[in-house]
Amino acid sequence: DVKVTQSSRYLVKRTGEKVFLECVQDMDHENMFWYRQDPGLGLRLIYFSYDVKMKEKGDIPEGYSVSREKKERFSLILESASTNQTSMYLCASSPPARTDTQYFGPGTRLTVL
Amino acid sequence: AQSVTQLDSQVPVFEEAPVELRCNYSSSVSVYLFWYVQYPNQGLQLLLKYLSGSTLVESINGFEAEFNKSQTSFHLRKPSVHISDTAEYFCAVRPGWSSNTGKLIFGQGTTLQVKP
Repeated sequence: DVKVTQSSRYLVKRTGEKVFLECVQDMDHENMFWYRQDPGLGLRLIYFSYDVKMKEKGDIPEGYSVSREKKERFSLILESASTNQTSMYLCASSPPARTDTQYFGPGTRLTVL
Repeated sequence: AQSVTQLDSQVPVFEEAPVELRCNYSSSVSVYLFWYVQYPNQGLQLLLKYLSGSTLVESINGFEAEFNKSQTSFHLRKPSVHISDTAEYFCAVRPGWSSNTGKLIFGQGTTLQVKP
């Protein structure tokens, strides 16, 4: 089975802190994604990566950056956390074929105080 | 730009009743269509997908969805729901012409609440 793991299920940080969310997948997938999930808004794509060291902005990249130094690991970075970044963050990975599904991690619920 | 609309944010239903969760998308080109389910405190799991061929696709737990190209819809149905179907359901679209990045466009989600 494909496994996507996220470093924390719950995280509480203070405004202005730098926050790292880690995601690891074990299926050698080329594509990896970071979403945020908010009630009534569904999933919104923050960033995605289609190869090591390659990244592209999604729909809401402001206030975030990413790093992909190894194929299996994709990190989301909040440079200076703000209260409006309180949300559920979901990581996903997928093989390159357009017909393939995305596989999701369990999510990290981040609260910024 | 592509968009996906799930017409109902919440659908309350009694156990063993039928249910339909509606999904419409905007596209004039071929698409791949997906339904994902998110059980409480979990990530998303693929429920079913339409890629090509038969317009009616089924999941292993009794859900089905029908691709209707003329109405640009991909509604999810189940003839008799169980308490364990209580979850949030997301419809998603991937344009058939897209690059191999695997990007999906998600709807806003529909919370299915099954009552005893």
